[in-house]
Amino acid sequence: DAKTTQPPSMDCAEGRAANLPCNHSTISGNEYVYWYRQIHSQGPQYIIHGLKNNETNEMASLIITEDRKSSTLILPHATLRDTAVYYCIGGIYNTDKLIFGTGTRLQVFP
Amino acid sequence: DTAVSQTPKYLVTQMGNDKSIKCEQNLGHDTMYWYKQDSKKFLKIMFSYNNKELIINETVPNRFSPKSPDKAHLNLHINSLELGDSAVYFCASSQDLKVYGYTFGSGTRLTVV
Repeated sequence: DAKTTQPPSMDCAEGRAANLPCNHSTISGNEYVYWYRQIHSQGPQYIIHGLKNNETNEMASLIITEDRKSSTLILPHATLRDTAVYYCIGGIYNTDKLIFGTGTRLQVFP
Repeated sequence: DTAVSQTPKYLVTQMGNDKSIKCEQNLGHDTMYWYKQDSKKFLKIMFSYNNKELIINETVPNRFSPKSPDKAHLNLHINSLELGDSAVYFCASSQDLKVYGYTFGSGTRLTVV
């Protein structure tokens, strides 16, 4: 079972920042935090990952708390195409698999 | 070029039939996976292969048999299909999972009638 907790759903106005929280209190020191998203009927898409430091790429920013027990994915200017289920995966308990939880369904509205 | 490609995209078949889903990746990754996403949208790992060697075999009925002829291909054969096998099956690959995560295919929607 996934060891992360995310809100089941969130709304965001188009053009505004979407901040998606995730708790991963059991993550160990050398395990990464990954974020994926799944747009309706498509394969999950990698967004970003981090270990300790905050990370930014062309898609999003990842803010990880100092104690690493939680993180926030930030989509700086959400668009309608960002409507998807966002999965936070923290704490890899097997070296060869990622365990997906139920995710947060983000609805971006006009 | 598609990084991880699956065929077919849709598969409708009758109970009791045997079917295969093919997956190919052109990323040079060493590890490939099959995931199943059921009607409730839970995404669960089924198998993983590293360089043609079976690494992970979750609690999956033995009607499901993965085959990896080389590290770029991982096919999934399903015997005696049942209604409960209806789902979307995703293939994925990775090079260093701890660092880079997965690249997923676009999925195969299997419907058993």
